[in-house]
Amino acid sequence: AQSVAQPEDQVNVAEGNPLTVKCTYSVSGNPYLFWYVQYPNRGLQFLLKYITGDNLVKGSYGFEAEFNKSQTSFHLKKPSALVSDSALYFCAVRDLLTGGGNKLTFGTGTQLKVEL
Amino acid sequence: DTGVSQDPRHKITKRGQNVTFRCDPISEHNRLYWYRQTLGQGPEFLTYFQNEAQLEKSRLLSDRFSAERPKGSFSTLEIQRTEQGDSAMYLCASSLGRERVDTQYFGPGTRLTVL
Repeated sequence: AQSVAQPEDQVNVAEGNPLTVKCTYSVSGNPYLFWYVQYPNRGLQFLLKYITGDNLVKGSYGFEAEFNKSQTSFHLKKPSALVSDSALYFCAVRDLLTGGGNKLTFGTGTQLKVEL
Repeated sequence: DTGVSQDPRHKITKRGQNVTFRCDPISEHNRLYWYRQTLGQGPEFLTYFQNEAQLEKSRLLSDRFSAERPKGSFSTLEIQRTEQGDSAMYLCASSLGRERVDTQYFGPGTRLTVL
């Protein structure tokens, strides 16, 4: 079965510093990987996805993610953190469903706290 | 707002009662998904529709749960004889269905509390 792991429950970073939120994956076949962000009492917002090609994927709000096949990782990064980036971040991997749909299997989430 | 909408946003019910949630996907999205999220966990897949056809159901979806998407537009998720363990956030997502690897767009969720 496909799975992702987010080894850190919480990441703290100072505003203006680079941030990294870690994710490792376990899949059979090609990995299709996603990052979503969740603000309090809100649904999940899509940030970016990796399908194939360039290992550095650029997404929304200045976020990017680096796919590393040898380390089976897909870490989320941002060069300069903002206080407004404070939220819960989820990594997910896709399973193909009947009819072409995509079941997402999520990690347990990483709470990012950006402080002044 | 042209995003996914869900109604109600919050529902408090007593154990044993039936509840129904509604999801309106983004217009023209032919795929619709339901997930459940409990505190401290990521969302877990419940079921998936392609147009009006329910094509996949998770083992998490017990016989007390039923979902419909009668005209391929909005969807409802009904829980019969609710139990305290059903307390969770129920999330709906939709996708266009034209990419090889679709992007799912999520609604704000319905938070269910079973007393």
